[in-house]
Amino acid sequence: RKEVEQDPGPFNVPEGATVAFNCTYSNSASQSFFWYRQDCRKEPKLLMSVYSSGNEDGRFTAQLNRASQYISLLIRDSKLSDSATYLCVVNMGVSGGYNKLIFGAGTRLAVHP
Amino acid sequence: DAGVIQSPRHEVTEMGQEVTLRCKPISGHNSLFWYRQTMMRGLELLIYFNNNVPIDDSGMPEDRFSAKMPNASFSTLKIQPSEPRDSAVYFCASSFQLETSGASYNEQFFGPGTRLTVL
Repeated sequence: RKEVEQDPGPFNVPEGATVAFNCTYSNSASQSFFWYRQDCRKEPKLLMSVYSSGNEDGRFTAQLNRASQYISLLIRDSKLSDSATYLCVVNMGVSGGYNKLIFGAGTRLAVHP
Repeated sequence: DAGVIQSPRHEVTEMGQEVTLRCKPISGHNSLFWYRQTMMRGLELLIYFNNNVPIDDSGMPEDRFSAKMPNASFSTLKIQPSEPRDSAVYFCASSFQLETSGASYNEQFFGPGTRLTVL
């Protein structure tokens, strides 16, 4: 079983739609969680952290369910510019404070007019 | 502010040749990561340096791969000899991490990557 699993998509949605991605992780000792965004042929960039209480940043909402070991990302009112690959990232954390990130393979989102 | 700088941006080489990828982290960052990204395997951590010292190289595929960080502002990843299966995008990332940070997270900033093709 992969350490971090995501539906690769693609998710094809019209502008204005609401879309949700889920991600599951295998290691219950994982310490922190993130969503990164990667545009085509570009580097990954941090989109948002995921907190146990859930957090919102504009049109984006992230949720964490530790009991079920899954993370979600909700995008409301999709824009053309949201088209990208969204990477689910888990911080395994190792001794000495080293933040070892495990990346999911990504979910591709295509927003069309 | 300059972000993480990588060179070359593209590299095409023939099987058996030596390839050297270069990275300049963000000034003031003390942690440097080399990643490899392919369609099949996604983004994988190859090696992690903290204060110029290799801490975790468990992701380095085999002895053909080596990485160095002679000072805080420069790192190299070398593949010798290269093989077609090494074709991938190689990313360098940097961050500032406290030794006692534990579960706290300091964002990793990625460079633009080097797209390597081995024929």
